Amino acid sequence: EDQVTQSPEALRLQEGESSSLNCSYTVSGLRGLFWYRQDPGKGPEFLFTLYSAGEEKEKERLKATLTKKESFLHITAPKPEDSATYLCAVQGGYSGAGSYQLTFGKGTKLSVIP
Amino acid sequence: EPEVTQTPSHQVTQMGQEVILRCVPISNHLYFYWYRQILGQKVEFLVSFYNNEISEKSEIFDDQFSVERPDGSNFTLKIRSTKLEDSAMYFCASSIGTGSEQFFGPGTRLTVL
Repeated sequence: EDQVTQSPEALRLQEGESSSLNCSYTVSGLRGLFWYRQDPGKGPEFLFTLYSAGEEKEKERLKATLTKKESFLHITAPKPEDSATYLCAVQGGYSGAGSYQLTFGKGTKLSVIP
Repeated sequence: EPEVTQTPSHQVTQMGQEVILRCVPISNHLYFYWYRQILGQKVEFLVSFYNNEISEKSEIFDDQFSVERPDGSNFTLKIRSTKLEDSAMYFCASSIGTGSEQFFGPGTRLTVL
């Protein structure tokens, strides 16, 4: 069974204070690891896909990295508008449940204080 | 920019009633999904749909649930006899391929009284 654990559950940062969010995963045959942003009462908004260890993706103040056991979402000089819940999800290729579904973590709720 | 749309945004129903949640996936996408998120909990997979049939479903997706693509644009989730525990946000998603990113709609908040 695929599993995703995210830490910390909540993170408060001052504007401009860089930090990292962690996503640890267990999956049989990783097809992809996905990062999403979710605002309250809204659907997950796609950020990044990572497919293999060592891969990195960047978008504005966000950078995602991947190892064989975990992924990090680095936030550089965050702004208040970066406040949201960040979700990590994996898609496995060989689990008994199949290869279509995303298995999500509980997310990290980020608050950026001006 | 293409996006997934869902209607209604909020549905209130009585326990035991049938509800149909509607979605319009991104037009060139081939794979369609339903997920749900109970308040304060993680997003959970329900079902995936490809080539007019269910390709995968979770344990949550029991006989009370069904999906359909009635025409070339809509994708629906039907709950035949709603229970209190079906209250959640229901998200539709679509992707162009199986290993590619899934794009989510804004969700339908289902409240069962």
